[in-house]
Amino acid sequence: GQNIDQPTEMTATEGAIVQINCTYQTSGFNGLFWYQQHAGEAPTFLSYNVLDGLEEKGRFSSFLSRSKGYSYLLLKELQMKDSASYLCAVGSRGTGFQKLVFGTGTRLLVSP
Amino acid sequence: GAVVSQHPSRVICKSGTSVKIECRSLDFQATTMFWYRQFPKQSLMLMATSNEGSKATYEQGVEKDKFLINHASLTLSTLTVTSAHPEDSSFYICSAGTGALELFFGSGTQLSVL
Repeated sequence: GQNIDQPTEMTATEGAIVQINCTYQTSGFNGLFWYQQHAGEAPTFLSYNVLDGLEEKGRFSSFLSRSKGYSYLLLKELQMKDSASYLCAVGSRGTGFQKLVFGTGTRLLVSP
Repeated sequence: GAVVSQHPSRVICKSGTSVKIECRSLDFQATTMFWYRQFPKQSLMLMATSNEGSKATYEQGVEKDKFLINHASLTLSTLTVTSAHPEDSSFYICSAGTGALELFFGSGTQLSVL
C-alpha cells in the first residue's frame, strides 16, 4: 500500500518563504510530484523529482530524499495568489503506464 | 502541455438517476486514463485506472458496479455513476497519460445529487 502525509494547513505572509513537507511510504516508486490546486479547479503541475536533490523552477523548488521517503516544496516571495492547496503525489509504474497517488494535501493561506 | 477536456463541469441530478462524465484527450492519445474523486477540503482519491480496450482496474473500496468506466478509444474515457445517491456528491477529476512521467488533468466535474 501507499501512505503519503502532509500537514493539513499552513499560513504565511506575503513576501515570505514557506516549506511544505511530504513524507511517503510506497512501493514501486517512480517520481515525486507536486501540484497546486485552487478550490473547485483541477490540479496544475508544479514540479517533479525522480532523483535525490533539489529542483528549482522560478519561485518554486522541490527537494527529494528517496532513502528517507521525504520531499518538500519551497515557495519563495509568496504572493496572495499562492493561496491554494498543494498536493504531493507519488508516481508508480504500472504495466506501460504511470500512476499517481496523492497525499492528503496542504492548504496554504497567504495573508497580507 | 497537452489538453484534457472533461464535461460536464457541473451536474445536478435526482437521487436514483445515472450520470455520465466524459474525459477526452484533445491533442494526444492517452494509453491510460485515471479517475479521481475529491470531497471538500480533502485530497484526490484515485478511484480507478482505465486502459483503452480493456477493463478498468478499481482501487480497493470502490464499487465497480456503481462507477462504470469505459475507455472505448485512445482519446475518450467515460465514468458513469449509476443510481446516484447524495453521498456520491463529489468533485470528480480525470487525468490522462501517454506512458511518460507527467499526467494531464481535466477541469473536473462537480456532481450534486439531490
